[in-house]
Parts: sequence; C-alpha cells; structure tokens
Amino acid sequence: GQQVMQIPQYQHVQEGEDFTTYCNSSTTLSNIQWYKQRPGGHPVFLIQLVKSGEVKKQKRLTFQFGEAKKNSSLHITATQTTDVGTYFCAGPEAGSYQLTFGKGTKLSVIP
Amino acid sequence: DTEVTQTPKHLVMGMTNKKSLKCEQHMGHRAMYWYKQKAKKPPELMFVYSYEKLSINESVPSRFSPECPNSSLLNLHLHALQPEDSALYLCASSRIHDSNQPQHFGDGTRLSIL
Repeated sequence: GQQVMQIPQYQHVQEGEDFTTYCNSSTTLSNIQWYKQRPGGHPVFLIQLVKSGEVKKQKRLTFQFGEAKKNSSLHITATQTTDVGTYFCAGPEAGSYQLTFGKGTKLSVIP
Repeated sequence: DTEVTQTPKHLVMGMTNKKSLKCEQHMGHRAMYWYKQKAKKPPELMFVYSYEKLSINESVPSRFSPECPNSSLLNLHLHALQPEDSALYLCASSRIHDSNQPQHFGDGTRLSIL
C-alpha cells in the first residue's frame, strides 16, 4: 500500500535553533496531515494541507505542501523545550479511505 | 484535555485473562478507530468502525475483538494475549471515515502482558 516516507528519524537541536522534518510520497496525495506526540502522550492533530503549494503557519511552525502534492515539510523556527516530541505526517493510503502515518521524526531540544 | 476518553489508562494482565478497553467520544463523530503503537513506532491501524459497522480489520488476531455498542462508544475485548501484544492502544475518532478527515486521539491505554 501507500507509503509515506519521513526523514530524519531523529533530530537533536540546541534550544533556539531551527528544525525541519520532511515527508515524501511516491504518489500524489489528496491531502497531508501533521500530528505531534509528546513523550508519554498521544498524537495530536496539528494541521491539514490540501492545495498544491500550500503554506500554513502556526506561530513558529510553518507547514508546506509541495507543488506536485507528493511532499511536505514542517519547519520550526527557534525551537523551545516545549517543542520536544515526535512529529508524524500522515497521508491517504492509495485506493483507501485510510490514513497512513510516516515513521515520525523525534525532536530533542537541548536547553 | 482530549475529547476522546479511554479507560483504563494502564492495564497489566496475564495471558489467560479477559479484559476490555473502552473508548468514548461525544463529538458526534461517526468513524472510530483502534490503533496499536509500540515504542518508537507510528500508530498501526487495527480496526475501523464507520456508522457503528466494522469497516476495516487489518488482519488482527482473533484474540482482539472490537465492539461498537453505539455511535459514542468503542470497546476492544482482549483474551489470551501474548507478551508481544504489550503496547499503547489508542482510540481515535473522526467526523466520517475519510482520509481527508483529521483524527482525534484519546490518551491511550498502556497494556502490559505478563
């Protein structure tokens, strides 16, 4: 089935540095969603991107959807310790109503 | 605070026990999901209920038995589990079963099989 590839698997940054995680698909996606899971917590929906080339911002977080709707990125500016967690992208499985989650990027922020 | 409530938060059981996990949502969502999540892995879909009917069973062993008594409740009955079934079990809901719909997750049940 559809696979959504996500890189990097882990990222350690100094507090105040920027962070980016990337999500790639071999096929066109109707939409892509981003979730955050804090350590010991559950996935929390952050945002959904639908349009080609779409860019959305939430405070220090910037989400992009590629022009071909095959890739997406999440960029965090000036990371804070509250940004710690695993960020998952999720895209629709081909021919299915079901979402497929990427493997996630675990972000550690060093104070 | 999550709008999807799961109980219990933690569960330790032996391989011969029978237990149930419960999930409740009052958002009027008509799709509900069970996921299994192992450490350092993404959530792995187990079951989907759409309008209280089982829509997807991802080849889950029969020792896991889902039930959807009504549009707000979802149960997962457990029997004769194996140690490898130890994981975080997440319930989620969405307005309808569609990949364009965001999913709302509960806090999960951390299950340990002795």
